[in-house]
Amino acid sequence: QVQLVQSGSELKKPGASVKVSCKASGYTFTRHAINWVRQAPGQGPEWMGWINTNTGNPTYAQDFTRRFVFSLDTSVSTAYLQISSLKAEDTAVYYCARGQEIAVEIFDSWGQGTLVTVSS
Amino acid sequence: DIVMTQSPDSLAVSLGERATINCKSSQSVLYSSNNKNYLVWYQHKPGQPPKLLIYWASTRESGVPDRFSGSGSGTDFTLTISGLQAEDVAVYYCQQHYSAPLTFGGGTKVEIK
Repeated sequence: QVQLVQSGSELKKPGASVKVSCKASGYTFTRHAINWVRQAPGQGPEWMGWINTNTGNPTYAQDFTRRFVFSLDTSVSTAYLQISSLKAEDTAVYYCARGQEIAVEIFDSWGQGTLVTVSS
Repeated sequence: DIVMTQSPDSLAVSLGERATINCKSSQSVLYSSNNKNYLVWYQHKPGQPPKLLIYWASTRESGVPDRFSGSGSGTDFTLTISGLQAEDVAVYYCQQHYSAPLTFGGGTKVEIK
């Protein structure tokens, strides 16, 4: 069955960096885009962008163009989200979500989420 | 950006009764060339990842019980749970994918009365 397994919770100091992984299994990794979604405490989800797993081309939402990087290692069916220069307001649960094969913006399977806490 | 507004913020429904959740978009999410509404519903239970329920406003995802149904077009949409079950306690979100950035509603929390 389709599974997206994310790396564990992270506690980071302001200014540090973090890299979240999302390992896919149960399907052909390169046939579905991977989206990233942030959910801050008490807030609704916020779409960060997506990465084409066939070409490696990322697309970022406007609010996530400067400190956020999506990447892939297709040899291990894994997508990554790296956040640099962390701020307290980056504290959130970060989800990876698989796009449907024909509509990348419809998320048909989600990772379990990775809590990133930024605190001094 | 398209703003998605859900109502109510929360509702309590007796087991077996109907729950109705509304979602309004700040502009139409109906794509005229294919007559599809670019509107999705997710269910999010505590401690679990969100789950896709409905896409294209009214198409049920495989494996989703038929008590869940979606309706509406243009800017006004509804998710209906006909015959609420205990396992339906969750927060429900609508999401538009008509235009970037994709945006979600604020969520509706469904509880048992």
